Amino acid sequence: DAKTTQPTSMDCAEGRAANLPCNHSTISGNEYVYWYRQIHSQGPQYIIHGLKNNETNEMASLIITEDRKSSTLILPHATLRDTAVYYCIVNDNNDMRFGAGTRLTVKP
Amino acid sequence: GAVVSQHPSWVICKSGTSVKIECRSLDFQATTMFWYRQFPKQSLMLMATSNEGSKATYEQGVEKDKFLINHASLTLSTLTVTSAHPEDSSFYICSALGTSGNEQFFGPGTRLTVL
Repeated sequence: DAKTTQPTSMDCAEGRAANLPCNHSTISGNEYVYWYRQIHSQGPQYIIHGLKNNETNEMASLIITEDRKSSTLILPHATLRDTAVYYCIVNDNNDMRFGAGTRLTVKP
Repeated sequence: GAVVSQHPSWVICKSGTSVKIECRSLDFQATTMFWYRQFPKQSLMLMATSNEGSKATYEQGVEKDKFLINHASLTLSTLTVTSAHPEDSSFYICSALGTSGNEQFFGPGTRLTVL
C-alpha cells in the first residue's frame, strides 16, 4: 500500500542529469520523503530524504514542491553505475514500505 | 556511513529444513531492525519489525511461527525460516534504523533457495 506513484521506467544518457519524479498527493504534514535505489541483486541504498525544503548531498538533489504533493530526485551527472530501480517512499514512522519504483537505465 | 551485514549471502537447503539468517549492524547500535522479502521482479515487502528485547511485530499475512525473529542484542537480529518450502525461496533483506532515527540502512540481502 505504497503512498507514492512513480513512472515504471526511464532512460537517461550518460553524463546528463537524470530527473526522477514522484507523486505523493496524500502525504501528511509529518511524513518525510525518502529516496532509495536498488542495484540488481543488492540491498537498497539510501540516497536522500527531506521534509519540506530542498536537499542536496554528494549523491543527489531532492526537490519537493511547495504543496509537498510531489518531488523530484536529480542525479546531476548520471553514470552507467546509476542504473538501478529508484524508490520514492513517504513515511513518518520509519518502516519503509516500497512501491514498484522507477527502473532507470543510463545509456552510453 | 553505517554498515549492515547479512550472513549468509546465499543458502540452498532441502525442503523441510530450517534456515537462520543473521543481520548485524557493524558500527552502530540498532534498537529497531526490519526484515523484508523480495521475489523476482517484484518490490521489497516488509515482513516484520524487530525491536531489541521484545517480540517482533509481523505484517498481515506473515506467519510468525514460520518466520521466527530474534533481536537479542543491539547489533544482531536473526530470521529463522522454519520448515522451509520451495515457495519460501526468495531474497531476504534486513535493515537497521540509524541512531538519528531518520535513516534505515539495508543489508546486502540473503538469497534463499529451497529445493
